Amino acid sequence: GQQVMQIPQYQHVQEGEDFTTYCNSSTTLSNIQWYKQRPGGHPVFLIQLVKSGEVKKQKRLTFQFGEAKKNSSLHITATQTTDVGTYFCAVNTNAGKSTFGDGTTLTVKP
Amino acid sequence: EPEVTQTPSHQVTQMGQEVILRCVPISNHLYFYWYRQILGQKVEFLVSFYNNEISEKSEIFDDQFSVERPDGSNFTLKIRSTKLEDSAMYFCASSEYIGPVNYGYTFGSGTRLTVV
Repeated sequence: GQQVMQIPQYQHVQEGEDFTTYCNSSTTLSNIQWYKQRPGGHPVFLIQLVKSGEVKKQKRLTFQFGEAKKNSSLHITATQTTDVGTYFCAVNTNAGKSTFGDGTTLTVKP
Repeated sequence: EPEVTQTPSHQVTQMGQEVILRCVPISNHLYFYWYRQILGQKVEFLVSFYNNEISEKSEIFDDQFSVERPDGSNFTLKIRSTKLEDSAMYFCASSEYIGPVNYGYTFGSGTRLTVV
């Protein structure tokens, strides 16, 4: 099945700094989804990317899908303390199996 | 905003006992899932379910696990003879569509299962 590697595992930033997490695969991905999980919470769907080279923005969050559809990134501009949590990428199969990356845990120092 | 509801929020059980975790998916969603997350680790797929059948299951979902939709609203995960390594947070999720373009899953708040 499709596997995704996510880096870095942890990222500590000062409030106001930018943050990026990367999701990489050795195979071409049909899609990529991004989720955020707050400490002690459940995954919350952020966005889905399906097209080669796709870029989507949600306020301070920018999501990209690589041209070869083998990688994706999530970039947060000017982090805030509300951004803390673990960000997961995930890939879906036709039958509903979603394979999650290991996640990047973001901490933001005020 | 519609929610996926899971009960109980915490369950402590003795090793070897059976547990049933319950979920009420979003009412117009047709596809249901169970995931688990061992503390500090990633979210792992267990099973997907549609039209009263399992669509796909992972290698984790062995014979001790079963799922059921006993009525029009509930979706359950049964673990027949719990083991210590079954201790995890179990998330139920649902979606309107299935496959690569499913517009994301809505996850419930989870049931923390502790096997002692």
